[in-house]
Amino acid sequence: DTEVTQTPKHLVMGMTNKKSLKCEQHMGHRAMYWYKQKAKKPPELMFVYSYEKLSINESVPSRFSPECPNSSLLNLHLHALQPEDSALYLCASSQPGQGPYSMRGYTFGSGTRLTVV
Amino acid sequence: GQQVMQIPQYQHVQEGEDFTTYCNSSTTLSNIQWYKQRPGGHPVFLIQLVKSGEVKKQKRLTFQFGEAKKNSSLHITATQTTDVGTYFCAGSGGYQKVTFGIGTKLQVIP
Repeated sequence: DTEVTQTPKHLVMGMTNKKSLKCEQHMGHRAMYWYKQKAKKPPELMFVYSYEKLSINESVPSRFSPECPNSSLLNLHLHALQPEDSALYLCASSQPGQGPYSMRGYTFGSGTRLTVV
Repeated sequence: GQQVMQIPQYQHVQEGEDFTTYCNSSTTLSNIQWYKQRPGGHPVFLIQLVKSGEVKKQKRLTFQFGEAKKNSSLHITATQTTDVGTYFCAGSGGYQKVTFGIGTKLQVIP
């Protein structure tokens, strides 16, 4: 059982729609992430939140808008997406660290499989 | 930018045979992590290596981190059908940012 919960599990949206992906964790982790994974590819980092503040944006188009309302929740707002944005969107959390432990192991959610039509 | 290369991309083995996947970074890493993703699933954290030359074992899985902290390997002894999936290495060179290797897809033939 995953300790990071993502909803919805599947989403089909039109190119003019606005939708949101939600992620919740109750492990007390203070770093949360959005990753995008296309079929047969590795996860690609999109955003990092550390202590509820956006710390990394990997030059993601503005049609993706992240939000971290509190330490347990992470949202990804979607607007005017393109068919090539269809992918598995993964949320992850970890404890932020320092030095060689600057990256702790991620706990991933089961993802939202997004199809843009 | 940091690149993490992983080979092979695909590996078919007979059940009971051993399996190894290798990871190489273009830069020195602070640490490296390994994940397993089952078909249709999400990545699951296996282990993190931090020290130069570190070797860690988890039952039939042996993980190594190179002396120069630029390469790593995962070795599975006597594979089982439950080992099927894609194994990713993920290297970190700095604060909170990690780069995933392309992954090695393991198929185990019963």
